Amino acid sequence: DTGVSQDPRHKITKRGQNVTFRCDPISEHNRLYWYRQTLGQGPEFLTYFQNEAQLEKSRLLSDRFSAERPKGSFSTLEIQRTEQGDSAMYLCASSSRGSIYEQYFGPGTRLTVT
Amino acid sequence: GQQLNQSPQSMFIQEGEDVSMNCTSSSIFNTWLWYKQDPGEGPVLLIALYKAGELTSNGRLTAQFGITRKDSFLNISASIPSDVGIYFCAGPTTKTSYDKVIFGPGTSLSVIP
Repeated sequence: DTGVSQDPRHKITKRGQNVTFRCDPISEHNRLYWYRQTLGQGPEFLTYFQNEAQLEKSRLLSDRFSAERPKGSFSTLEIQRTEQGDSAMYLCASSSRGSIYEQYFGPGTRLTVT
Repeated sequence: GQQLNQSPQSMFIQEGEDVSMNCTSSSIFNTWLWYKQDPGEGPVLLIALYKAGELTSNGRLTAQFGITRKDSFLNISASIPSDVGIYFCAGPTTKTSYDKVIFGPGTSLSVIP
């Protein structure tokens, strides 16, 4: 299966701890996106990479959030000093040059901050 | 900013019935996307529409790109239990420096066997 994968699927952490999530996109896709989704809502855009360049960041992405895609392949999303309001599903998606709007999502990482 | 609205918010139907849902915006969209999300999973792309008036099918699913470019519709024929989930419409906004895709709030579908 060559779909988008995310790790871990679930993360429970205490407030104030740092967490890091990983996303592996579909191999031939050059665009990678991070979204956050809370219960009853659609995914909300966080940030976007084209190859290794981070081209756009949402205002939702506070200074505690950082994302990287060092070699234009996998990406990591780190949240420092987690807060209870960070509890959400974090989704990664990727798309290709030929169909940039057709984003394919991973299964998500469910974060619970206690 | 640009925003998508979906209706109905939720629906309960009998297995075998047809389903219709829609997505509207006050702004024009040049592409419409429909996704389905199962509990605890990421959204799965069902259909992409690129042209006003376009009607596209994927099995029992049919989606239409509204003529005004401000709406889109998704129909599911002869519903089955595995159709249960949340259906999201989405589209690229033109209000940012790149084509960010925004999502509607979703329509939750329940199918009663």
